[in-house]
Amino acid sequence: QKEVEQDPGPLSVPEGAIVSLNCTYSNSAFQYFMWYRQYSRKGPELLMYTYSSGNKEDGRFTAQVDKSSKYISLFIRDSQPSDSATYLCAMSADNTDKLIFGTGTRLQVFP
Amino acid sequence: GAVVSQHPSWVICKSGTSVKIECRSLDFQATTMFWYRQFPKQSLMLMATSNEGSKATYEQGVEKDKFLINHASLTLSTLTVTSAHPEDSSFYICSAWDWDGYTFGSGTRLTVV
Repeated sequence: QKEVEQDPGPLSVPEGAIVSLNCTYSNSAFQYFMWYRQYSRKGPELLMYTYSSGNKEDGRFTAQVDKSSKYISLFIRDSQPSDSATYLCAMSADNTDKLIFGTGTRLQVFP
Repeated sequence: GAVVSQHPSWVICKSGTSVKIECRSLDFQATTMFWYRQFPKQSLMLMATSNEGSKATYEQGVEKDKFLINHASLTLSTLTVTSAHPEDSSFYICSAWDWDGYTFGSGTRLTVV
């Protein structure tokens, strides 16, 4: 079993839809949770960073962490074609520890 | 936010030669930097953890003599792919931690011909 599981997709949605991206993990020591967006042939761009449990909102993006279920989510409201990219969840036990990545979910938002 | 600059963005080299990739933290100091490798349509695979002033820590299966890492200052880490072969062709990405989380460089696409 992988430490972090993420559905690779692809996920195809119409413009304006609400997108839900999810990851599950097995290591209860993880405390730092991140979502990255990666366009083709570019480095990952940090979207959301959450410590421990709870929700965090930034514009159209909302990140949720449920440590009791070992489950994290990223919601994208009013999705746009420019949101089309691969979304990677990542987590670590300590802020100086290595990141463990999910496989990434490829999202396509069509007009 | 924090910026990690990575150069070059792409490089083509002949088989058997060495290639150096630089990773700089522009507006913060990074005692630890991470080097990743990514194959097409796959996730990032950690290669090594670079520590300023000490030896790098390599992940299992990564040849330390082939992938030389130097972290000589708090803002610069380099990865040198020695005696490169076509199977080393990949996308290499560095990252560093600052208080906003892990920031990544823009990546280096290496093609060995």
